[in-house]
Amino acid sequence: GQQLNQSPQSMFIQEGEDVSMNCTSSSIFNTWLWYKQEPGEGPVLLIALYKAGELTSNGRLTAQFGITRKDSFLNISASIPSDVGIYFCASGANSKLTFGKGITLSVRP
Amino acid sequence: NAGVTQTPKFQVLKTGQSMTLQCAQDMNHEYMSWYRQDPGMGLRLIHYSVGAGITDQGEVPNGYNVSRSTTEDFPLRLLSAAPSQTSVYFCATSRGLSTDTQYFGPGTRLTVL
Repeated sequence: GQQLNQSPQSMFIQEGEDVSMNCTSSSIFNTWLWYKQEPGEGPVLLIALYKAGELTSNGRLTAQFGITRKDSFLNISASIPSDVGIYFCASGANSKLTFGKGITLSVRP
Repeated sequence: NAGVTQTPKFQVLKTGQSMTLQCAQDMNHEYMSWYRQDPGMGLRLIHYSVGAGITDQGEVPNGYNVSRSTTEDFPLRLLSAAPSQTSVYFCATSRGLSTDTQYFGPGTRLTVL
């Protein structure tokens, strides 16, 4: 099946720092999605990307749809404590949505 | 407007028992799906439905059954629970496509002894 690769599994940053995470695949996708999951909750959509090369922002978050259509990047600027959580990339084909394994972000005050 | 509701929130089963996890939505969404989440494994698709009366298998369907008799409800049945099914289960819905915004329920934490 299709796999989305996210690494490392965990990231630790200082409050105020910027952080970048990426997601790669051996398959080509037409959509890239980034979700965030907070403890005890279900994931929530942060950003959706629908076109190769597209750069989209949502507050301090910026995501890009890679030109090759095989990768995507998520940047968080000026991190704050409430940015902690698990960040998933996701994409789909044939009515099935596939998630990466996620990156757990910790922010030290 | 409750969104996506899941019951129960917690459940403990013995190996071999059966049970149904309930999922209901009041957003009139066509697409509904079930995921399981295990540490370090992300979210894996179990079954999905693109509309009432239509269901299909996801990545990890073995040991689970689903049906979709109405737009609102999408129950997940464990036929004979096994310890490997210990997990957190999430139901999600979207307007029509898997890549539309998915709205997740609060999850059901299942332990099989």
